[in-house]
Amino acid sequence: DQQVKQNSPSLSVQEGRISILNCDYTNSMFDYFLWYKKYPAEGPTFLISISSIKDKNEDGRFTVFLNKSAKHLSLHIVPSQPGDSAVYFCAATRAARQLTFGSGTQLTVLP
Amino acid sequence: DAGVIQSPRHEVTEMGQEVTLRCKPISGHNSLFWYRQTMMRGLELLIYFNNNVPIDDSGMPEDRFSAKMPNASFSTLKIQPSEPRDSAVYFCASSSTGISGNTIYFGEGSWLTVV
Repeated sequence: DQQVKQNSPSLSVQEGRISILNCDYTNSMFDYFLWYKKYPAEGPTFLISISSIKDKNEDGRFTVFLNKSAKHLSLHIVPSQPGDSAVYFCAATRAARQLTFGSGTQLTVLP
Repeated sequence: DAGVIQSPRHEVTEMGQEVTLRCKPISGHNSLFWYRQTMMRGLELLIYFNNNVPIDDSGMPEDRFSAKMPNASFSTLKIQPSEPRDSAVYFCASSSTGISGNTIYFGEGSWLTVV
C-alpha cells in the first residue's frame, strides 16, 4: 500500500521548457514533503522541500507546489536543462519520522 | 568530508548464499537508515537506527533480513539466505537530526544481484 505515488515513471521535455513532475499521497497526516534527485550510480540528494503550512516554495529554477485538499504536490523546473536529467523522488514525512518515498520519475531533458 | 560509505558497490551471489552489506555513516551523525530501491516500489525504508538503537524495523521484509549497528561508525545489513527477489540497490543514509528530510545524506548504494 503505497502512501506516496508517482504515477509517471518517465517524462521527456525539451531544453528550455518547463518540466512538471507530479506526486500524490494518501496520508493526510504528512506534514513535510521533499524532492530528491538521483543520478545513475549515485545516491539520492536533497533538492527542495515544503512544509504543509505552505503551498509554494521556490529555489532558483525549482518550485514545489502543494495542494493539500487534493493531496498532491508537484515540482516545476524552469527552464529545464540537460543536466536536470535524473530520477526524481517525491518523499513525505509526519512529525519528523521516517521518510516515505514514491517510486520515482525519470526526467530526460532533450537538447 | 567523506560522505556515507557503502561496501561492496556491486555484489553478485548465488541464491541461498549469505550477503552482508556494510555502511559507514558520516561522522557525528546519530541516525542511520537502510533503504532498498526497486523498479516497482521505489525507495523503501527497511530499518532505521538512532544512537545505534533500532527504532523502526517494520520495513524489513522477512526474517531473512537483519541489521546491526554495533557502534556509531558502522552498520551491516545481512540477508541469509538470499533469494533472486532480493536483487535491488540497497542504500544506506545518515542524518544528524533524525528524519528531517534535507539533512539525510545517502551513500552511493550497493547493487545486489542474486542469481
